Amino acid sequence: NAGVMQNPRHLVRRRGQEARLRCSPMKGHSHVYWYRQLPEEGLKFMVYLQKENIIDESGMPKERFSAEFPKEGPSILRIQQVVRGDSAAYFCASSPLVAGGPTTDTQYFGPGTRLTVL
Amino acid sequence: ELKVEQNPLFLSMQEEKNYTIYCNYSTTSDRLYWYRQDPGKSLESLFVLLSNGAVKQEGRLMASLDTKARLSTLHITAAVHDLSATYFCAVTPSNSGYALNFGKGTSLLVTP
Repeated sequence: NAGVMQNPRHLVRRRGQEARLRCSPMKGHSHVYWYRQLPEEGLKFMVYLQKENIIDESGMPKERFSAEFPKEGPSILRIQQVVRGDSAAYFCASSPLVAGGPTTDTQYFGPGTRLTVL
Repeated sequence: ELKVEQNPLFLSMQEEKNYTIYCNYSTTSDRLYWYRQDPGKSLESLFVLLSNGAVKQEGRLMASLDTKARLSTLHITAAVHDLSATYFCAVTPSNSGYALNFGKGTSLLVTP
């Protein structure tokens, strides 16, 4: 069973360009979570999605950031008009049921996309 | 806001020595996680601790949870070089079981 897949692994963008980060959850997982890791920091929750639904986007910046998880295909984190402060590692995680529920479902993390904004 | 603090942030230790990493959190939480991250890699789940007094062990690592003190410890016994990595603790708030709040991580280097 392949793990959580993310691509690209490394992405370089100039200020003002758009960044699209993709995440394919583990097979059988319908819950996806995005986190951002700034240098020397722990991961920060951004958004939680199920297929075709955004459940919780309380950690997403209000502007320029959006996320989707369509019925078919990977989850996408989109950053418009990137700025240098967006440089970070972006991790996607998935779980078969909602994490933190009655079971001990853990979130399984992908390898991350390291975004560098020049 | 739920805050998670780890200490130490950097730890250099010799092989065969024992040491403990501490994780404090600021508000009530249902569960606490420990993850390991190797440089440039993803996070690997080590332990999930669900209740006060919970203790879990895997190899040379043992994690415990004291919910009254809002404290978890990750104890390393007889360290070996393969344990060199960054260790994160993460906590979910009681009203949101999925939004992991991570500490800054403890970078562990085990030297001969």
